[in-house]
Amino acid sequence: AQSVTQPDIHITVSEGASLELRCNYSYGATPYLFWYVQSPGQGLQLLLKYFSGDTLVQGIKGFEAEFKRSQSSFNLRKPSVHWSDAAEYFCAVVESGGSYIPTFGRGTSLIVHP
Amino acid sequence: DSGVTQTPKHLITATGQRVTLRCSPRSGDLSVYWYQQSLDQGLQFLIQYYNGEERAKGNILERFSAQQFPDLHSELNLSSLELGDSALYFCASSPQGGSYEKLFFGSGTQLSVL
Repeated sequence: AQSVTQPDIHITVSEGASLELRCNYSYGATPYLFWYVQSPGQGLQLLLKYFSGDTLVQGIKGFEAEFKRSQSSFNLRKPSVHWSDAAEYFCAVVESGGSYIPTFGRGTSLIVHP
Repeated sequence: DSGVTQTPKHLITATGQRVTLRCSPRSGDLSVYWYQQSLDQGLQFLIQYYNGEERAKGNILERFSAQQFPDLHSELNLSSLELGDSALYFCASSPQGGSYEKLFFGSGTQLSVL
């Protein structure tokens, strides 16, 4: 069965610093990959997704992610973090050709210091 | 605003009781997904409906059931509640049955079983 690992439970960065959130998946074929953000008291919102093609994908709010097949990774990055980016971030995987139900990682909580 | 409406936002009840959570998907979306979010299990897929029919089933307990009505709203019924059922329950919708598209999440129902 597919699985998603987000190795960092919490990440703390200073405002203006760069950010990288890690995501690794376990699946034989190339899955569909997603990053969602959950702000306090809100539901999840899609930041970006990868299906095929260019392995560097751009999303909303200045986020980008890079798919690396050799590392089974789909890390989320942002060059300069804003205080409003403090939230919970979830990586998700959809098994292509399967049930198309997203499997979510456990999430990474981003804390931004002023 | 994702366009997905969940009611109630908060629910406090006692063990052994039965509750119903309601979800109205985005206008025109045919597919509804239910997820349970807890600290120890993360975001777990429960069940999916597509145009009134059950499409996929995940880690849903036998005490839990769901349905999707002709107007496409969905209800999740939780019975014989236990302390461990305390969690945030999300509903999400998508236009089609495949979630290779983005999911639109509601803001959730926080269930507290005392």
